[in-house]
Amino acid sequence: DTAVSQTPKYLVTQMGNDKSIKCEQNLGHDTMYWYKQDSKKFLKIMFSYNNKELIINETVPNRFSPKSPDKAHLNLHINSLELGDSAVYFCASSFLAGGSRNEQFFGPGTRLTVL
Amino acid sequence: QKEVEQNSGPLSVPEGAIASLNCTYSDRGSQSFFWYRQYSGKSPELIMSIYSNGDKEDGRFTAQLNKASQYVSLLIRDSQPSDSATYLCAVNPPGGYQKVTFGTGTKLQVIP
Repeated sequence: DTAVSQTPKYLVTQMGNDKSIKCEQNLGHDTMYWYKQDSKKFLKIMFSYNNKELIINETVPNRFSPKSPDKAHLNLHINSLELGDSAVYFCASSFLAGGSRNEQFFGPGTRLTVL
Repeated sequence: QKEVEQNSGPLSVPEGAIASLNCTYSDRGSQSFFWYRQYSGKSPELIMSIYSNGDKEDGRFTAQLNKASQYVSLLIRDSQPSDSATYLCAVNPPGGYQKVTFGTGTKLQVIP
């Protein structure tokens, strides 16, 4: 009965490789997010989708490409991985509007290590 | 000026004391304010939301909002060692699609 799930939990890969992270939520939310948390623990938004539409696209290298096949799923594909991509990537979801006013619920995170 | 500012800590309090965590934000029109708790190696967990001036209480937690001073705080009464974590303040600015901005977090240590 996990609310927001991510796979894989850990990802260790070589520089230059391409990898994907998957996220699914069963909360019925209409909006999903990708965040990056670096070694200094700063949580920074990367992308957000509302009902499969990209609504937030922060200054992120175009090696990062999100895809939302439906409102319950959001994937992140990363091309040509670099050392600086090493971080924990969190998926989150929320209702965009209404009484909950964007209370976001986070997945367990994917720890990416680029060697 | 950072959009959301928090003292990084660590803030050390003895068990049973009140822990007071503070946060200031730069966008005066911000509408929604959140406190998340993050244990080491875990994901952020929403513990409090507040939308209007004043206090909001939930168990041992009280969130306080002062929009005129652009200040939001979290009080934890009867602090327990299990409260030791990093507390992230998050603010939802006005307008357009809602991009929540997180502070860098305050690390709380509750000493038994």
